[in-house]
Amino acid sequence: NAGVTQTPKFRVLKTGQSMTLLCAQDMNHEYMYWYRQDPGMGLRLIHYSVGEGTTAKGEVPDGYNVSRLKKQNFLLGLESAAPSQTSVYFCASRGGNSYNEQFFGPGTRLTVL
Amino acid sequence: KNQVEQSPQSLIILEGKNCTLQCNYTVSPFSNLRWYKQDTGRGPVSLTIMTFSENTKSNGRYTATLDADTKQSSLHITASQLSDSASYICVVSPYPNRDDKIIFGKGTRLHILP
Repeated sequence: NAGVTQTPKFRVLKTGQSMTLLCAQDMNHEYMYWYRQDPGMGLRLIHYSVGEGTTAKGEVPDGYNVSRLKKQNFLLGLESAAPSQTSVYFCASRGGNSYNEQFFGPGTRLTVL
Repeated sequence: KNQVEQSPQSLIILEGKNCTLQCNYTVSPFSNLRWYKQDTGRGPVSLTIMTFSENTKSNGRYTATLDADTKQSSLHITASQLSDSASYICVVSPYPNRDDKIIFGKGTRLHILP
């Protein structure tokens, strides 16, 4: 039981390049989330999904796209990376009860030059 | 605007000592408050959750308290250990629960010295 896994762990991009971050969970959770964590700031929600085939915008969605084609996977895409997207990205998932805790992945450290 | 403020920003204590971290929030109406522990280079892990009707919750050496009237919560760590060195994040959910309205505090960075 791996919980929430993220691929890759580290990545360096040049401005304008694109990439996809993969999140996978093996807990059969309905809800999945993508956050970014920047120094001196709390975690901020980028996009989230309440079930397979659904996505919704969070607090800071600009410059990102997501897809949830399979229940266990949630992909975060950057079409044209910018230095402002340098951050640590966390994926999380939770079960259907609204009080259920979110389980976080180990994070992806992304640097955009 | 709903906010979550944590204090202190950082704290250094000796191994074996106790400490208390603070969280003040302005979220209203309020549903629940959760404390997370985040080790360096890892994702956050939930320690406790309290709803508006609860005023204390324990998890081993961690005890969280909540005063919904003053909108304050604290996390008390007893007999600290080196493994307690981490960031502690206060997270508040408004009522009704909405995933896009959950607010994460900036965290308190705790350093335990041997």
